[in-house]
Amino acid sequence: DAKTTQPTSMDCAEGRAANLPCNHSTISGNEYVYWYRQIHSQGPQYIIHGLKNNETNEMASLIITEDRKSSTLILPHATLRDTAVYYCIVRLWASGGSNYKLTFGKGTLLTVNP
Amino acid sequence: ETGVTQTPRHLVMGMTNKKSLKCEQHLGHNAMYWYKQSAKKPLELMFVYNFKEQTENNSVPSRFSPECPNSSHLFLHLHTLQPEDSALYLCASSLTGGNTEAFFGQGTRLTVV
Repeated sequence: DAKTTQPTSMDCAEGRAANLPCNHSTISGNEYVYWYRQIHSQGPQYIIHGLKNNETNEMASLIITEDRKSSTLILPHATLRDTAVYYCIVRLWASGGSNYKLTFGKGTLLTVNP
Repeated sequence: ETGVTQTPRHLVMGMTNKKSLKCEQHLGHNAMYWYKQSAKKPLELMFVYNFKEQTENNSVPSRFSPECPNSSHLFLHLHTLQPEDSALYLCASSLTGGNTEAFFGQGTRLTVV
């Protein structure tokens, strides 16, 4: 799976949008971009994923550049409970009976301040 | 609540003890995973099971022994661990194939003394 690069940490004011960047310049055509987050000492939580189109769900929006070499996760109105480590993961589409391996990096520690 | 339940949540064991971690899911998933998260390190994949068959072992020492009796349950048997094995052990499950997400349990915080 392609490697990703994320800033070590970011701060955001409560109520403002949090924009978390991810660089995946070596991504291949059949690799998806996934975002997970991990609140302190809990299990990771799935947020969103996409291939090339922008995606939105109840938690966040994912903006993928046209060349797919980078993406941004947007939390539209950050709350204190969004403080967590956010992981950007690039993963091959899993076909047939293949399993769903996730390779985690160090992620970005997002701190939402009151 | 993710639908993946791990027990116990916390475990302290001596280096000569034998203990087991349990994970269960009733999400209809057919793949289950063990991850290890040591302090200040990224999550590391340990084992993968598809349809009860182990499909991956990432060079994990034999003092960690997984067991998957059915698609809903996964165990990690521990024996003669070392203090450096102290970590958060996370279980996850997913469907195989496609692009659905993986669901993680809350983890077991293991301390080896």
